[in-house]
Amino acid sequence: AQSVSQHNHHVILSEAASLELGCNYSYGGTVNLFWYVQYPGQHLQLLLKYFSGDPLVKGIKGFEAEFIKSKFSFNLRKPSVQWSDTAEYFCAVNARLNQGGKLIFGQGTELSVKP
Amino acid sequence: DTAVSQTPKYLVTQMGNDKSIKCEQNLGHDTMYWYKQDSKKFLKIMFSYNNKELIINETVPNRFSPKSPDKAHLNLHINSLELGDSAVYFCASSPRDRGRKSYNEQFFGPGTRLTVL
Repeated sequence: AQSVSQHNHHVILSEAASLELGCNYSYGGTVNLFWYVQYPGQHLQLLLKYFSGDPLVKGIKGFEAEFIKSKFSFNLRKPSVQWSDTAEYFCAVNARLNQGGKLIFGQGTELSVKP
Repeated sequence: DTAVSQTPKYLVTQMGNDKSIKCEQNLGHDTMYWYKQDSKKFLKIMFSYNNKELIINETVPNRFSPKSPDKAHLNLHINSLELGDSAVYFCASSPRDRGRKSYNEQFFGPGTRLTVL
């Protein structure tokens, strides 16, 4: 069965610090990969996605992620975080074929940025 | 505005009641989903519909019944509500790339916070 694991439950950083959130998935077939962000009290918004091509993808708000197929990983990075990045971050995958497109989510990482 | 909308935003009710949550998308997508986010913020797929046809039912109790009157709407009816049903329910939609038989990113609604007392 597919699964997604996010390494960190809660990350606390000071403004301007660099961020890396780990994500590993388990699935034998081809997948699409996503990072979503949920600001307090809001709905999920897409940060970035990987379908194919360049494994280094850039998203909104200065975020980027790198797909490393051999490690089944899709880590999220940002060189310098801001207080406004405080949110919950979710890694998700769906199977490229079949399974109705359902997203399998990781358990989420809460990021707290101190001003 | 183009979006996925849900009503109501908040729903507080007693155990044993029956309630419905409505979802509408005007993005022209043909696939819609319901997800449940529990108190630990874990998100799990419940149902998926493609062009009004049920394609995913993730072992959800049969007290939960989705209904899709057309491909722009996916409603969720819950019978005999239980304390454990308290959660945030998110509706989502996505286009399907028919050429590659692949599903694209999903667009989420604002969520409905259900509290069962």
